[in-house]
Amino acid sequence: QQQVKQSPQSLIVQKGGIPIINCAYENTAFDYFPWYQQFPGKGPALLIAIRPDVSEKKEGRFTISFNKSAKQFSLHIMDSQPGDSATYFCAASRSQGAQKLVFGQGTRLTINP
Amino acid sequence: DADVTQTPRNRITKTGKRIMLECSQTKGHDRMYWYRQDPGLGLRLIYYSFDVKDINKGEISDGYSVSRQAQAKFSLSLESAIPNQTALYFCATSDQTGFGGEQFFGPGTRLTVL
Repeated sequence: QQQVKQSPQSLIVQKGGIPIINCAYENTAFDYFPWYQQFPGKGPALLIAIRPDVSEKKEGRFTISFNKSAKQFSLHIMDSQPGDSATYFCAASRSQGAQKLVFGQGTRLTINP
Repeated sequence: DADVTQTPRNRITKTGKRIMLECSQTKGHDRMYWYRQDPGLGLRLIYYSFDVKDINKGEISDGYSVSRQAQAKFSLSLESAIPNQTALYFCATSDQTGFGGEQFFGPGTRLTVL
């Protein structure tokens, strides 16, 4: 049972393009939605996170868009660079209690020079 | 993240062998987690611990056991390894403050079971 579904599985974009990665969740009790970035040979690291009381959050070139009614959220990377090439994971959890993260399947992003 | 270390980084073993993966952290966090990563499946939670006396099963705990030896140490054991336990294993930590709880991951252990 995959509570968080992520797409696409892989994505190739030219430098300067805007890759978009999408996630959908099922559990309406989730109220914390982070994105993690993973480089080869490294563990995932928190990139940006959003709460459901806002529809968008920006941090530098990274933006999360959130649609509560559709139970979907997405990551946009503006002016993408080759250094952004990594695997990206969306996740969801309840902000209180156990705070267990449920991860999406991951997206391998390649930014070509 | 150098604050979370995992040993070994790579391990090849045979079916039926007992394997222990170790995790140590210097972040002072109470909460520790073990995940496995498989291509196309993302990260799945195996076990988590909120303190030395509090250990909980995650999504895929069958075939695994854990030990929280101290606040800073959390070990994952495969009592009798099987080939479908071949995966990348990550330890993570968090504290209970802050909304949602950012998790800090170690560098991972690549385990191959032949």
